[in-house]
Amino acid sequence: AQTVTQSQPEMSVQEAETVTLSCTYDTSENNYYLFWYKQPPSRQMILVIRQEAYKQQNATENRFSVNFQKAAKSFSLKISDSQLGDTAMYFCASPFDMDSNYQLIWGAGTKLIIKP
Amino acid sequence: NAGVTQTPKFQVLKTGQSMTLQCAQDMNHEYMSWYRQDPGMGLRLIHYSVGAGITDQGEVPNGYNVSRSTTEDFPLRLLSAAPSQTSVYFCASSYQGLRGGEQYFGPGTRLTVT
Repeated sequence: AQTVTQSQPEMSVQEAETVTLSCTYDTSENNYYLFWYKQPPSRQMILVIRQEAYKQQNATENRFSVNFQKAAKSFSLKISDSQLGDTAMYFCASPFDMDSNYQLIWGAGTKLIIKP
Repeated sequence: NAGVTQTPKFQVLKTGQSMTLQCAQDMNHEYMSWYRQDPGMGLRLIHYSVGAGITDQGEVPNGYNVSRSTTEDFPLRLLSAAPSQTSVYFCASSYQGLRGGEQYFGPGTRLTVT
């Protein structure tokens, strides 16, 4: 079965520090997107960033960037200048082909706590 | 736009009861999905739809039914609630399909089955 692994159940950093959340996946797809979603205490799921697998350039969105290593099937999220509002659960997701309808497999999540 | 709406936000059921979780979106998205979220686990796909009249099973479909009579609505029915169905349920929609498109999520329904 295809899986997505987030090896850090919980992380804690001081405000303004940089933190990296790891994610590995094992999709057999060739052309796909990878996603990081954030779930704050409000429970709302919010897209943080996505990476197109056929692009070599790592995606960036303001303070958020990814380190995408396609051969290693690794997709880590770096948060620079962390803010209190970044406190949340972070989930990465990878696609798989379910009878030609692509679906997402989700990691178990990393709980990120930003301390003042 | 209201985005994706879900009702109710909270629900308590007794074992054996049935109910319908409502989901609606006003973005004209073709793709809609239902997930459940359990502690220590990622989201797991229950059912999904790629358009009105078309639904299919996800990873954990047992005990749940769906239908998609309109583009906007995608209700999830629990046929005979069991304690194992205690979870948080999310509905999501997407305009590009799940291969590349951002999924827009509803606020979730916390369901407890006693």
